[in-house]
Amino acid sequence: KNEVEQSPQNLTAQEGEFITINCSYSVGISALHWLQQHPGGGIVSLFMLSSGKKKHGRLIATINIQEKHSSLHITASHPRDSAVYICAVIITGTASKLTFGTGTRLQVTL
Amino acid sequence: DTAVSQTPKYLVTQMGNDKSIKCEQNLGHDTMYWYKQDSKKFLKIMFSYNNKELIINETVPNRFSPKSPDKAHLNLHINSLELGDSAVYFCASSRSLGIPYNEQFFGPGTRLTVL
Repeated sequence: KNEVEQSPQNLTAQEGEFITINCSYSVGISALHWLQQHPGGGIVSLFMLSSGKKKHGRLIATINIQEKHSSLHITASHPRDSAVYICAVIITGTASKLTFGTGTRLQVTL
Repeated sequence: DTAVSQTPKYLVTQMGNDKSIKCEQNLGHDTMYWYKQDSKKFLKIMFSYNNKELIINETVPNRFSPKSPDKAHLNLHINSLELGDSAVYFCASSRSLGIPYNEQFFGPGTRLTVL
């Protein structure tokens, strides 16, 4: 069993919908990252958080350390949001080593 | 200006050959990483260097050898390539180790195909 689990694995939404992607982890962590991998393959860091909530444009990331759970929300989704969203954690004491989830493939249609 | 660049973008080679992938960052970061993304799109850390010093060395065959000539460069040399080495290799960098300096910036990836 992977230390980082994401759900759903695949998600199809219509433009404008509110989207939630979930990440659960089974280990102690010092930080959690949300990454976006474009269809062309490039990877972009969206958020790095260790507590609470962060917002950037239409994207919101939350983390609950006690429950070992994080969510990535996309408001007013758009076809350009179509990508794979990857949750990654830094396990406590592992010197910035990222341990990755398996990703959530999001397709937003018109 | 590209922040983290990798060359080549595509690499097709025969089994048994030796090849290198180069990575350069112009962000002034201290820490650099190599990741492997397999055919199922799963990412895994391979190596990490901080100030030219190896700090993470995952269970990677000895055929893979990273080299950091300076803080801005981290190259990956692979000897005796095998079919299973076919993957996309990503380089990344972060300002430093530890929170809040370890947000990582990724290169565009190098798709390696071993025939």
